[in-house]
Amino acid sequence: QKEVEQDPGPLSVPEGAIVSLNCTYSNSAFQYFMWYRQYSRKGPELLMYTYSSGNKEDGRFTAQVDKSSKYISLFIRDSQPSDSATYLCAMSMSGGGSNYKLTFGKGTLLTVNP
Amino acid sequence: DADVTQTPRNRITKTGKRIMLECSQTKGHDRMYWYRQDPGLGLRLIYYSFDVKDINKGEISDGYSVSRQAQAKFSLSLESAIPNQTALYFCAAQDRSYGYTFGSGTRLTVV
Repeated sequence: QKEVEQDPGPLSVPEGAIVSLNCTYSNSAFQYFMWYRQYSRKGPELLMYTYSSGNKEDGRFTAQVDKSSKYISLFIRDSQPSDSATYLCAMSMSGGGSNYKLTFGKGTLLTVNP
Repeated sequence: DADVTQTPRNRITKTGKRIMLECSQTKGHDRMYWYRQDPGLGLRLIYYSFDVKDINKGEISDGYSVSRQAQAKFSLSLESAIPNQTALYFCAAQDRSYGYTFGSGTRLTVV
């Protein structure tokens, strides 16, 4: 079993739809959870960063972490064609040293159609 | 200027050639990483460094070597390039427990 599982998609939605992207993980020691957005032929960029469980909202984006279920989600409201990209989840442990090294999902390709 | 800069952006090289990919960062972070990205395989860690004197192998280090010339510079070398090293390569810098800042990538083709 991979440490981080992410459905690769592709996921295609109409403009204005609510998008839900998800990852599951097996390592209960993960404490920091991130979502990256990667446009075609570009480097990933950090979109959302959360520590431990709970929700975090930033504009149209909401990140949720459920540590009891080992499940994280990214919701995109009122999706726009500019949201079309690959979304990667990432996570790491606490405690310093190599614990801060990120473990990535393989990414979900999202297309928002006008 | 970008926080993490990778050169070159694109490179085509022949099998057996030695090639170096360069990475520099202006963020002052100690931690730097090299990844390759392939369709369907996601990001795979090649090497990482927590400071100038600390270099560690990642999950796919065979056929690669690195040099951390300074806190800001971390280079990746392919000693004798082979076609299955054709991929998109990313360098990243990290501030402790926070997320990575990635460069724009180098698209390498080995023919």
